[in-house]
Amino acid sequence: QVRLHQWGTGLLKPSETLSLTCGVYGSSLRGSYWTWIRQSPEKGLEWIGESNESGNRKYNPSLKTRVTISLDTSSDQFSLRLYSVTGADTAVYFCARGFYDFGTGEFYFDSWGQGTLVTVAA
Amino acid sequence: DIQLTQSPSSLPASVGDRVTLTCQASQDINSHLNWYQQKPGQAPALLIYGASVLETGVPSRFTGGGSGTFFTLTIASLQVEDFGTYFCQQFHDVPYTFGRGTDLKI
Repeated sequence: QVRLHQWGTGLLKPSETLSLTCGVYGSSLRGSYWTWIRQSPEKGLEWIGESNESGNRKYNPSLKTRVTISLDTSSDQFSLRLYSVTGADTAVYFCARGFYDFGTGEFYFDSWGQGTLVTVAA
Repeated sequence: DIQLTQSPSSLPASVGDRVTLTCQASQDINSHLNWYQQKPGQAPALLIYGASVLETGVPSRFTGGGSGTFFTLTIASLQVEDFGTYFCQQFHDVPYTFGRGTDLKI
């Protein structure tokens, strides 16, 4: 069973860089799409982006110019960096595993981290 | 982006009730839809994928249906542990998007 545990800074000032890391336990990073999702009252659940171990990355166009998702296969961790944050980036951030079933074509988020509240305030 | 509209936004119900939640997509997404349950202070948890396939360990009282633009999640007989917020999510196209949720409450 895959478990995800995430950590990072919870309070930022505008223009700073958000940095979160997610540790993967019970699985390697191979074969899945490692994902960040955030949730706020204003926007609900918002997919930020994903990366796999081949370095294939996809980002939400609304955040693409400010976000980087990277994998560290040596330590089975992946991370999120969101640059130049504003109050609109205040949200609970979740890491998740995106699993693609090549047999059926289904894709879903089947494991999630516990969530990290990130607040952006001057 | 593909928009997902869930209804109702809030649904009062009682233990033993049969309830149906709906999710409507802004364009044809085939069966590329998942359902999640979220409880306060927790991450969402996968219930159903591919519109109708139950995730391992999810009770059989949950049923997913639909294709194209209209989808349903039915709970046959509500249990106490079923109360929470339910979200649909599409994986037909990037960016993957979620509905705003249905809050199922006592």
